[in-house]
Amino acid sequence: KAGVTQTPRYLIKTRGQQVTLSCSPISGHRSVSWYQQTPGQGLQFLFEYFSETQRNKGNFPGRFSGRQFSNSRSEMNVSTLELGDSALYLCASSLVENTEAFFGQGTRLTVV
Amino acid sequence: GENVEQHPSTLSVQEGDSAVIKCTYSDSASNYFPWYKQELGKRPQLIIDIRSNVGEKKDQRIAVTLNKTAKHFSLHITETQPEDSAVYFCAAIYGGATNKLIFGTGTLLAVQP
Repeated sequence: KAGVTQTPRYLIKTRGQQVTLSCSPISGHRSVSWYQQTPGQGLQFLFEYFSETQRNKGNFPGRFSGRQFSNSRSEMNVSTLELGDSALYLCASSLVENTEAFFGQGTRLTVV
Repeated sequence: GENVEQHPSTLSVQEGDSAVIKCTYSDSASNYFPWYKQELGKRPQLIIDIRSNVGEKKDQRIAVTLNKTAKHFSLHITETQPEDSAVYFCAAIYGGATNKLIFGTGTLLAVQP
């Protein structure tokens, strides 16, 4: 069974640009969550999607957005990039609520 | 607010000793508490989890205890080995029927051979 797949693995962007990250969950998983990981702030929840609907949103500015498609694949978008957006972005998929979240390998975003 | 506190931030033990990491959560409605291990450059991986209707769970050298009244849960690793060296995160589900995980700040465990 394939795990959670995130693409691309690495990205370098310039301040002011926008970026789209992709996440393919484990087959059959309908819940996809996104997290930002930085050395200073640890793992912070961005948002969760379930059956194409955003179910929860973390405390991030509106520049961070996402969506989920009918096949459960999810994308997150960050517009008007800032230096502080440099981080490892992890997505996780779960089968149902309150169960194990399986993480992808992450996308390392560097904003210069 | 939604918060999980984790202590200590770093922990160094000798091979064969035990290690204990403690977490406190704030939402009394939380009912699922996973622990993740993250090795350098790798993704977080679940090592053990516990639900609110259970006070303790054990899996070989790893155990987790939960005190719902005090809103505390702890990870216990016995007979530590060098390969246990990693960052460990506790987490709690917030918001009822959801998979929104609030993570602790992590504990860097170093097992000295």
